[in-house]
Amino acid sequence: AQKITQTQPGMFVQEKEAVTLDCTYDTSDPSYGLFWYKQPSSGEMIFLIYQGSYDQQNATEGRYSLNFQKARKSANLVISASQLGDSAMYFCAMRELSSQGGSEKLVFGKGTKLTVNP
Amino acid sequence: DAGVIQSPRHEVTEMGQEVTLRCKPISGHDYLFWYRQTMMRGLELLIYFNNNVPIDDSGMPEDRFSAKMPNASFSTLKIQPSEPRDSAVYFCASSSGGYSYNEQFFGPGTRLTVL
Repeated sequence: AQKITQTQPGMFVQEKEAVTLDCTYDTSDPSYGLFWYKQPSSGEMIFLIYQGSYDQQNATEGRYSLNFQKARKSANLVISASQLGDSAMYFCAMRELSSQGGSEKLVFGKGTKLTVNP
Repeated sequence: DAGVIQSPRHEVTEMGQEVTLRCKPISGHDYLFWYRQTMMRGLELLIYFNNNVPIDDSGMPEDRFSAKMPNASFSTLKIQPSEPRDSAVYFCASSSGGYSYNEQFFGPGTRLTVL
């Protein structure tokens, strides 16, 4: 079973508008971390934002915020005031902190391709 | 401060040849990760090291793949013999670990094409 599901292969948004990228996860570990990475067309992976399973508040980082709904096991990324430079692939990832094999493993979703239109 | 360094950036080889990918992690990071990215399978963790010791190699596809970390500042991923299905982008990443929020820093990747 997939641990990270990103149901939107592609998303389009107008410049200056907000967009939400969906991510649902599956784990029985009570302690986990959720990450979002951006991959522009140039190929590098850029860390955006982190949410811990015990964090009481939704994470925010500049124009990025995470809509964390623990009961629904979702961790959607919200990008406010989209810019042309936001066009990229976006990956959601999870780390299960109590898992065997080490707690440093990141499992990635398949990604969502975001296109920002002028 | 330099990020994760990978070499080569691009590699084109013929089936059956040995391929060696190299990685220098960020200084002070205790964890090093090797990932493979393909259109079909997405981003997969192949193996990761802690303090130069392999911790989890369950993602290594088969015996043709091997990874080493002889010291804290260098790691290699070797494919011998290479096959066309090994064509992918291979990323190295490092992190300081220890805390749940410690993100992994990725290198620029090596694009491997096996003909």
